[in-house]
Amino acid sequence: DVQLVASGGAFVQPGGSLRLSCEASGFTFSAYWMHWVRQAPGKGLEWLGTIKKDGSAKFYLGSVEGRFTISRDNANNSLFLQMDNLRVEDTGLYYCARGLLYTWGQGTLVTVSS
Amino acid sequence: MQMTQSPSSLSASVGDTVTITCRASHNISIDVAWFQHKPGQAPQRLIYAASTLQNGVPARFSGRGSGADFSLTITNLQPEDFSTYYCLQHNTYPLTFGGGTSVEIK
Repeated sequence: DVQLVASGGAFVQPGGSLRLSCEASGFTFSAYWMHWVRQAPGKGLEWLGTIKKDGSAKFYLGSVEGRFTISRDNANNSLFLQMDNLRVEDTGLYYCARGLLYTWGQGTLVTVSS
Repeated sequence: MQMTQSPSSLSASVGDTVTITCRASHNISIDVAWFQHKPGQAPQRLIYAASTLQNGVPARFSGRGSGADFSLTITNLQPEDFSTYYCLQHNTYPLTFGGGTSVEIK
């Protein structure tokens, strides 16, 4: 079965950093673009960024570019989201997704608060 | 690229037909997908390429549109369909979701 398991969510203070992971299984990870999407409390879905199959290209939402970095380790079927200089408004449930968002992980919760 | 989704919420009964619309700020061909999102669950893709039904999704879901205007129609609404729905454009980076439509039981 195709599975995406996101982890790494935590409580962090504004200005802090966090690294999210997404472990993939059940498919050829290196054959797919991967994405991160989040949902703030009471809000809708917001696309954050994507990384090409081999990691050679990345695209980001403007409000996170320069603070968030997506990377991947195809040898270990893992996707990452490095989040720096976190803001209160970055609080939310963070999802990883495969391809054109047709398979999603269950989400990991990030809370940014003082 | 903006995706303006309407309505933001609607009330309907089991057996009803409902339609949700999304309007893009520019021509995006058929680069639109539709998602269902239930509380506590991961979103599920229902439709891609504006009108292609995802494998395993019931045929009561249908999508149409091209260019800038798109719609998702659910016919014969079932209890499990009460949820929030989002459109997504993937024609231009950054990808953008519509604001969401909450389909509630009347």
